[in-house]
Amino acid sequence: GEDVEQSLFLSVREGDSSVINCTYTDSSSTYLYWYKQEPGAGLQLLTYIFSNMDMKQDQRLTVLLNKKDKHLSLRIADTQTGDSAIYFCAEDRGADGLTFGKGTHLIIQP
Amino acid sequence: DTAVSQTPKYLVTQMGNDKSIKCEQNLGHDTMYWYKQDSKKFLKIMFSYNNKELIINETVPNRFSPKSPDKAHLNLHINSLELGDSAVYFCASRSTGGGEKLFFGSGTQLSVL
Repeated sequence: GEDVEQSLFLSVREGDSSVINCTYTDSSSTYLYWYKQEPGAGLQLLTYIFSNMDMKQDQRLTVLLNKKDKHLSLRIADTQTGDSAIYFCAEDRGADGLTFGKGTHLIIQP
Repeated sequence: DTAVSQTPKYLVTQMGNDKSIKCEQNLGHDTMYWYKQDSKKFLKIMFSYNNKELIINETVPNRFSPKSPDKAHLNLHINSLELGDSAVYFCASRSTGGGEKLFFGSGTQLSVL
């Protein structure tokens, strides 16, 4: 298909790790992105990974890329209440801009 | 300084009206975009504009028209507003050249009554 796919909801306990998964479609995408959207706000770039990398770590965030399966994941370690947001996976389609998944609502349980 | 700014933040209007949303970026980017986010938070690209080349998502009604007076601005005009146009509209920009980050404005919430 032509869509970037991700689960719509993920619920985790505070302090646990959150893993948000995404399947993208364009094998020629050179960059893949994770954006975060808090309620009533715009989209904030969280992290990104170049397609020739398997993993990227940035503090509590770990991005894993499986290019063969076109699978991207975002792991948030020690999830906090401030991490509650919608997380969008996006693939770069060059001149056509970024194509976004439907977003995963991350819900934090106390 | 806001990198990508759009106005107004909220827009409430009646069906049938014509309205505009303005967008300006001060990042020196050469490509600008308009995205629509519906009530389910799904994001769809509407237009991209680069050096006077306009790429249109074919699903966008022709009541929507982007207008770019210069590289730093891409305004969105909407004619004959319909109830289904109610959504949040995001402007974004980036430099082309491969893997450049996309920067978003804070969004315009359009409500058509």
